[in-house]
Amino acid sequence: GAGVSQSPSNKVTEKGKDVELRCDPISGHTALYWYRQSLGQGLEFLIYFQGNSAPDKSGLPSDRFSAERTGGSVSTLTIQRTQQEDSAVYLCASSLAPTGAGGELFFGEGSRLTVL
Amino acid sequence: DAKTTQPNSMESNEEEPVHLPCNHSTISGTDYIHWYRQLPSQGPEYVIHGLTSNVNNRMASLAIAEDRKSSTLILHRATLRDAAVYYCILSGNDYKLSFGAGTTVTVRA
Repeated sequence: GAGVSQSPSNKVTEKGKDVELRCDPISGHTALYWYRQSLGQGLEFLIYFQGNSAPDKSGLPSDRFSAERTGGSVSTLTIQRTQQEDSAVYLCASSLAPTGAGGELFFGEGSRLTVL
Repeated sequence: DAKTTQPNSMESNEEEPVHLPCNHSTISGTDYIHWYRQLPSQGPEYVIHGLTSNVNNRMASLAIAEDRKSSTLILHRATLRDAAVYYCILSGNDYKLSFGAGTTVTVRA
């Protein structure tokens, strides 16, 4: 499809295990965002990639969280030693133009993570 | 970051218009006004955005006050599918869109 693709759609893991969440943005979109949404809450910014620039990691909640974007396309969000408070829907978005210039974010369906 | 204020919830009847207000009294001259909505169990989707002039698209209209300190998203004929959380967000030089609590819209059949 032409939209933002995320996998897995659902992930159940045990506390202490590592998980990887994948995001495939829309082709040609240089900006990629990760957000997190806990049950009944708003969206929490995690990390932002723009082209070849250094990513803005200011929203990552702890050093257990990391993300990379290979070749300016696919991104992987990794959570090490998962905790129950990491349970949430992890949303990826991409955009062609900066939002400060009126650019539109296109979101994926999200990856629902449940840590038991 | 310039912030927005929205009502927590609004109710509407099907096929009637819905007017969703948003206050942004600290908006700067370069901030765009964005609206997104999030249907249950889905990621947010773009609705509309504007800078100074009113905007129309197939989904909605955006009416921006002359002083830009407030705006209103207008859904012309609400359908059951329009039941969602609607977010009013400002963007300036900061590329991060900050999603607040939004307005939960309920549409009655």
